[in-house]
Amino acid sequence: DQQVKQNSPSLSVQEGRISILNCDYTNSMFDYFLWYKKYPAEGPTFLISISSIKDKNEDGRFTVFLNKSAKHLSLHIVPSQPGDSAVYFCAASYPSGGYQKVTFGTGTKLQVIP
Amino acid sequence: GAGVSQSPSNKVTEKGKDVELRCDPISGHTALYWYRQRLGQGLEFLIYFQGNSAPDKSGLPSDRFSAERTGESVSTLTIQRTQQEDSAVYLCASSLKGTAYNEQFFGPGTRLTVL
Repeated sequence: DQQVKQNSPSLSVQEGRISILNCDYTNSMFDYFLWYKKYPAEGPTFLISISSIKDKNEDGRFTVFLNKSAKHLSLHIVPSQPGDSAVYFCAASYPSGGYQKVTFGTGTKLQVIP
Repeated sequence: GAGVSQSPSNKVTEKGKDVELRCDPISGHTALYWYRQRLGQGLEFLIYFQGNSAPDKSGLPSDRFSAERTGESVSTLTIQRTQQEDSAVYLCASSLKGTAYNEQFFGPGTRLTVL
């Protein structure tokens, strides 16, 4: 039962253009959402997050949008740079057993073409 | 370095052998997580430790898997009688607390190959 879905396994974007990575979830208990970036042979690193009480959070070139009614979130990268080429994981969490339990998606591999 | 470290980075073992994977979290981080990433899959939650509280073992796939953590320090993940389907990258992460606004910091992972 995949509660967090990233339906696009890969995405190619020209440098300078916008990259849009999508994520859908099924569990309405999720109240916090995160994006992680992963380079080969390294662990994922935190990128940006959003609480369920918001619909947008921006940090530099990265913006995350949350549409609760559609159970959908997206990560926008503008402008895209070659160094952004990585696998991006969407994650969602909810309080369970005294902590925030996190579920990850399967990832989208972004390639930014110079 | 001040990051999460894991050892070994790679482990090749024969089916049926036991393996032990180690994670050194960031000092001061009370929460520690183990995940597994099989080829082409997402990160699969295995187990969560928070201080001296009882761990959340709900993600362990079978009784061949176990993990320990001494206080708020090192954790070891043990897989007994390894099977080929155990082949994966095992990732450890730590965070200040297990609450929502405390991001997880990941180690580089241990790539386990079971022949």
